[in-house]
Amino acid sequence: AQRVTQPEKLLSVFKGAPVELKCNYSYSGSPELFWYVQYSRQRLQLLLRHISRESIKGFTADLNKGETSFHLKKPFAQEEDSAMYYCALDTGFQKLVFGTGTRLLVSP
Amino acid sequence: GAVVSQHPSWVICKSGTSVKIECRSLDFQATTMFWYRQFPKQSLMLMATSNEGSKATYEQGVEKDKFLINHASLTLSTLTVTSAHPEDSSFYICSVTPPLASSYNEQFFGPGTRLTVL
Repeated sequence: AQRVTQPEKLLSVFKGAPVELKCNYSYSGSPELFWYVQYSRQRLQLLLRHISRESIKGFTADLNKGETSFHLKKPFAQEEDSAMYYCALDTGFQKLVFGTGTRLLVSP
Repeated sequence: GAVVSQHPSWVICKSGTSVKIECRSLDFQATTMFWYRQFPKQSLMLMATSNEGSKATYEQGVEKDKFLINHASLTLSTLTVTSAHPEDSSFYICSVTPPLASSYNEQFFGPGTRLTVL
């Protein structure tokens, strides 16, 4: 079955602390994974995609096929990182399966 | 990023009535649009793929006769919830993909439409 699991509903950290938002997937094919973010009162937008191996706003995510994971990391969280983060799996033809999301709250 | 609009942003209707939600791609022509549904405190669930000039393809468990999709132009897709019931109350979100999109291209999401069925 195609599934994306984000075990944490809420992650609360202090400014400057490291952040890791967990994402595990279940997919029989070659996975194409994304992280989408939704800031308060804004629409969902792409944060990064695994194929690009990019760092956006200090966030990185590495695809680990052995552990079927695509965790999102940032070494030093900022208050403006507070948002809802969704991990998504492209199951073909751009059809996305989303995880349930993790709310990141960065306190001063 | 591309701009995607949805109208209305919020609609309240009586049980048994039909509601039409529009999704517009303002920056480029989109042959493919997607419709998602998000229940409170749950994730986005793909409902259907809207294809310009052809029939929409629905995900398993989504009733095509209840959720009518029309993609009559390259910039507009509509979702009509027919004979709405309270259990259809949800947040409906559309997304568009740019022309010649590959799986690695991002989808651009609309702001969503909140439907409340009384």
